[in-house]
Amino acid sequence: EVQLVESGGGLVQPGGSLRLSCAASRFSFSSYEMNWVRRAPGKGLEWVSYISSSGRTKFYANSVKGRFTISRDNAKSSLYLQMNSLRAEDTAIYYCAGGPKSYPFDYWGQGTLVTVSS
Amino acid sequence: SYVLTQPPSVSVAPGQTARITCGGNNIGSKSVHWYQQKPTQAPVLVVYDDSDRPSGIPERFSGSNSGNTATLTISRVEAGDEADYYCQVWDSTSDQHVVFGGGTELTVL
Repeated sequence: EVQLVESGGGLVQPGGSLRLSCAASRFSFSSYEMNWVRRAPGKGLEWVSYISSSGRTKFYANSVKGRFTISRDNAKSSLYLQMNSLRAEDTAIYYCAGGPKSYPFDYWGQGTLVTVSS
Repeated sequence: SYVLTQPPSVSVAPGQTARITCGGNNIGSKSVHWYQQKPTQAPVLVVYDDSDRPSGIPERFSGSNSGNTATLTISRVEAGDEADYYCQVWDSTSDQHVVFGGGTELTVL
């Protein structure tokens, strides 16, 4: 069964940085297209970023463009999200999700909580 | 950017049919996917490409898509179906590419 495990969340001050990781196992990670999706407290799901299976194509939501960077290491079966210039409104549970095609998102991790607060 | 509109909440008695709508401009021309998210759990894909079900999803879950409205239908609703439901599309014409609806909270009375 496909397994995605996020890590790296925590408490960070406004303006700070954090790097999230997503470890994949039990499937061919290098052939999957991946995303980060978040859910803020009391809000719905919000797509954050996409990366193609090769890593050459990346897309970002307007709300994080210029601050967040998605990347992957297929040799390590890992997905990353570098988050800089964090704001209070970035507080959310962050999920990695993906599948063999751009959409739908067949598989999801359990999420990691990011709290931006002073 | 493309906008998907869902009702904030839907209530239904056990055994009845729940219909959750997702409105968008000419959404019938796009592939719509539906996710279920229960409290403290990760989202789960329940319908993809308008009306297909992933392996393991009960036949009670079905979908349709035409014109400006896509619909997720849950037949013979059970208490365990209580969750938030989200529609999603991939919009290649938008700079946002991936769009989620605002979500619908399904309450089983």
